[in-house]
Amino acid sequence: GPKVLQIPSHQIIDMGQMVTLNCDPVSNHLYFYWYKQILGQQMEFLVNFYNGKVMEKSKLFKDQFSVERPDGSYFTLKIQPTALEDSAVYFCASSFGGNYAEQFFGPGTRLTVL
Amino acid sequence: GQQVQQSPASLVLQEGENAELQCNFSSTATQLQWFYQSPGGSLVSLLSNPSGTKHTGRLTSTTVTKERRSSLHISSSQTTDSGTYLCAIDKLSGSFNKLTFGAGTRLAVCP
Repeated sequence: GPKVLQIPSHQIIDMGQMVTLNCDPVSNHLYFYWYKQILGQQMEFLVNFYNGKVMEKSKLFKDQFSVERPDGSYFTLKIQPTALEDSAVYFCASSFGGNYAEQFFGPGTRLTVL
Repeated sequence: GQQVQQSPASLVLQEGENAELQCNFSSTATQLQWFYQSPGGSLVSLLSNPSGTKHTGRLTSTTVTKERRSSLHISSSQTTDSGTYLCAIDKLSGSFNKLTFGAGTRLAVCP
């Protein structure tokens, strides 16, 4: 099936540093998403993105978070500055449509903030 | 907000047995997906099934939308099926998709 790639698979950084998580979505998909899963906890929606804009974000999407997809390249999640509670696995997803559409997920990036 | 309840929370089977996993949700779903999450954490989409019955390999999902429930049947379980099975739904609310996930069913298949 369609593949979503995420780079890197693991990232370890010191608290206060900036980190950028990269997602290579399915090539003809137009809608993009980030989800967060803290170890041992439920997967939770962070943000969705379409046509260059954030359409909806959850309360987990703090002011230190930002997303973009410049010129159809990677869809990125940037955290600046990072905090200890940002340690989690971040999953990227994409879909062709907005409503009713199946979302395809990447393998996740495990972020550890020390 | 939407709620997704999965049962059982955990399940232990002998290899070759069948498994029936349940997902109940609090509001009408326009999209429902079943995922497998490996012990290492990676996520695999199994089925997209907002209504009706779908089969793929040893998996069968039946979703009864008006009763707000879905099931995932795993036949002839294998040790490699061990992991967590997640149900996620989305409701058409005028906004774009955002899946709400259940807490999952942790399956262990013993040889």
